[in-house]
Amino acid sequence: SYVLTQPPSVSVAPGKTARITCGGNNIGSKSVHWYQQKPGQAPVLVIYYDSDRPSGIPERFSGSNSGNTATLTISRVEAGDEADYYCQVWDSSSDRLFGGGTKLTVL
Amino acid sequence: EVQLVESGGGLVQPGGSLRLSCAASGFTFSSYWMSWVRQAPGKGLEWVANIKQDGSEKYYVDSVKGRFTISRDNAKNSLYLQMNSLRAEDTAVYYCARSLGESPVFDYWGQGTLVTVSS
Repeated sequence: SYVLTQPPSVSVAPGKTARITCGGNNIGSKSVHWYQQKPGQAPVLVIYYDSDRPSGIPERFSGSNSGNTATLTISRVEAGDEADYYCQVWDSSSDRLFGGGTKLTVL
Repeated sequence: EVQLVESGGGLVQPGGSLRLSCAASGFTFSSYWMSWVRQAPGKGLEWVANIKQDGSEKYYVDSVKGRFTISRDNAKNSLYLQMNSLRAEDTAVYYCARSLGESPVFDYWGQGTLVTVSS
């Protein structure tokens, strides 16, 4: 079955750029979606189809996907961006599959 | 405004049953695939099941096949998850989620309902 690998944690200073990766075998051939989940809240879609942004999501959030790694990039990080972030793909053997999640800490 | 409100969670003994409900509003419920996604305490997200607009197609994660049944009532704008033969590892917050069009993307989520399986 397909596996998505995310780093458990990423730390970044306010105003800097955070990059959260999602690794998978030839993930560049799949569409990757990203969700933000703050403590005690439901997940929120922040990027879909690799790089599209839902309405209401700041332009600071962007995504890319190539080879074996997809990346969620958050520019000019703010304290309010501190959350868990999950990548997700569709795979023929696993259907809707999530990565293990990455905790973003704003220093 | 799209709203998804789950209910029906609670404490149940191993081997027991529970039925979750999700009340949808603010959109044409019958036009969307719907899913259940769960999150065990302190763990990540896991897709559980989904159902086509007219209920004609249903899919499940392997760990719940034969035990859980997803269904919907478009007249009542409601999604359901019947959970039987519950196990301790089914303990989680269960979220109702809407799919973006025909895609596997979850564009709206409910706030979740907690299911605890324990003796």
